[in-house]
Parts: sequence; structure tokens; C-alpha cells
Amino acid sequence: DTGVSQNPRHKITKRGQNVTFRCDPISEHNRLYWYRQTLGQGPEFLTYFQNEAQLEKSRLLSDRFSAERPKGSFSTLEIQRTEQGDSAMYLCASSQPGAGPYTEAFFGQGTRLTVV
Amino acid sequence: GIQVEQSPPDLILQEGANSTLRCNFSDSVNNLQWFHQNPWGQLINLFYIPSGTKQNGRLSATTVATERYSLLYISSSQTTDSGVYFCAVLPSDAGGTSYGKLTFGQGTILTVHP
Repeated sequence: DTGVSQNPRHKITKRGQNVTFRCDPISEHNRLYWYRQTLGQGPEFLTYFQNEAQLEKSRLLSDRFSAERPKGSFSTLEIQRTEQGDSAMYLCASSQPGAGPYTEAFFGQGTRLTVV
Repeated sequence: GIQVEQSPPDLILQEGANSTLRCNFSDSVNNLQWFHQNPWGQLINLFYIPSGTKQNGRLSATTVATERYSLLYISSSQTTDSGVYFCAVLPSDAGGTSYGKLTFGQGTILTVHP
């Protein structure tokens, strides 16, 4: 197992374009999370999946953002009509099914998005 | 929501020195993790430590849950220890739909000079 994998690592896009990022969690991790990190800040929670069910979405996730995990394995995060304010590092994490909240999250390398 | 404060915000050391990083949180927590973010942006797991003390090589961590703080100790620092250290917590009142909602501190930027 090579850990949480994210693709692409870097994405430069023009304002107004749509972008999609992919996250492959650690095998058998049924919990998957997306976070966003801007320069000089700690990561901020965006959304949480348990298997294929999206259980929570942050208010940061505007209508232009959508996340899916169709078969409970990999996940995609799509941003429509990108804006310069969307420029950030997008981080994915996963954790094992466990006793309630007591599970350790492991993060991928992130996708750095630059909107020009 | 829960507040997480890390101190100091910046720390500059000479190689070989020891240091202590602190994480204070405003409410009780079920989950606390320490991460090191490398220059390429990846968050590396250091400790999963909701309570108690753990050690891993030159690093150790202690969480005193009743007093709402955690400490990360780095001994005999090396240049490769440079980077940003984050503390992240999950509040005890998080329901099942919020198990993934870690709240991060602002981080401590550590620079170790040779």
C-alpha cells in the first residue's frame, strides 16, 4: 500500500474553467475527507464520506464545488467556473473504519491549484 | 466551534537544539493528531495522541486532555526537521456525521540551521 494518492499534483487553469481532482484512499479505508489549505493557513475541512455516503459538507463548499465517491473507493472533487480565490492546495485524507471518532487520518500529497 | 492555538508561530534553532511546541484547544477532544508538513506540502503523521504520552525516536508528544493542551518535543533537531508543524483535533461533541471534521491550528514554522 502506497498511501493516499492524489492526482494531479499541480493544476494551472484559467478563470472560468472547470477542474476535477482525484483521490485514491488507502485500501480498506472507508472514511475519506477533503480539505483545502491556503498559503500560511492550516487545512480547512471541506467534506467527509463514509463509504459512498457524503455525510458532511462545510459551508466553504459553495455550489460550484461537488464531490463524489461513487463506489466507496476513489473520490473526485470538481470545481466549476473556477475563480482566483479557489487557488489553494486541496488535500485528501482517509482513515480506517473504527470505533466512532477514534481513527487516525492519513493525508495525500495534495493537488495545488492555481487559477490565472 | 472549537478553537486551536499553536505556539510559538515561528521557531528558529541551531542543529542539535531541543524544542517544545504547544497546542491549546478550547473544548474536550476525542482525537488529536500532530503532523509535519514538508516543503512539498504533504502532511506527514507524527502522532495520534488523544491523551497520554508517546515517543518515536527524537520526537515525543504529551496530551493532557483534562487541561486541554498537547506538547510536541523535538530533541537534537536536524535540518530535515524544518517545516510546518500542525496540531489537529476532533471535538468530543462531534456526531457520527462529523467524524472527519478535524480542526487544525495555524501551525508552527520551524527552521533548523546547520
